[in-house]
Amino acid sequence: NAGVTQTPKFQVLKTGQSMTLQCAQDMNHNSMYWYRQDPGMGLRLIYYSASEGTTDKGEVPNGYNVSRLNKREFSLRLESAAPSQTSVYFCASSEARFPATNEKLFFGSGTQLSVL
Amino acid sequence: AQSVTQLGSHVSVSEGALVLLRCNYSSSVPPYLFWYVQYPNQGLQLLLKYTSAATLVKGINGFEAEFKKSETSFHLTKPSAHMSDAAEYFCAVSDLNDMRFGAGTRLTVKP
Repeated sequence: NAGVTQTPKFQVLKTGQSMTLQCAQDMNHNSMYWYRQDPGMGLRLIYYSASEGTTDKGEVPNGYNVSRLNKREFSLRLESAAPSQTSVYFCASSEARFPATNEKLFFGSGTQLSVL
Repeated sequence: AQSVTQLGSHVSVSEGALVLLRCNYSSSVPPYLFWYVQYPNQGLQLLLKYTSAATLVKGINGFEAEFKKSETSFHLTKPSAHMSDAAEYFCAVSDLNDMRFGAGTRLTVKP
């Protein structure tokens, strides 16, 4: 079972470059999320999509854009990368329609991004 | 706003010893509480969750957690640590409008 698939696994960017992180889930989940993980800060929500066609800002949305392409796919775009965006990025999905519920999240294996 | 505090960013135990990872939360409504585990180079996986059905929650791999409302705590325990338990553990709280994760506790298991 694939679950949540993220690409790429690693990426190095120069300041000002752009890139898109891809995420796809095969569990027919309604909600999808993008988190960033930084040492000592746990996971912080960047954006989420409660259903196909909708997206909303999370705790740390500045410098990012997202697209819920269809029910399966949710991409995260950095238009002009900055060193402060060096982090590990996780995509997640859940069956429920809300941004956060009592249902568990299924996580991808992460993208390690370095911005020089 | 709700929040989660995990006491101790690093915990080290010997193989066979008790594992205790601490989590305290603040929430204005009865919360849903979770423990997730992250093995190296992997995403987070759910260990267990509390949804008010029972205060003592049993999870996978022999872990359990007890919800104590008076102490606003949801500590994770395992009676006997295995080498395979070495990982980072995250506590999370949800009030159905928002989910917040703690900063994480890295567990090291010494042979």
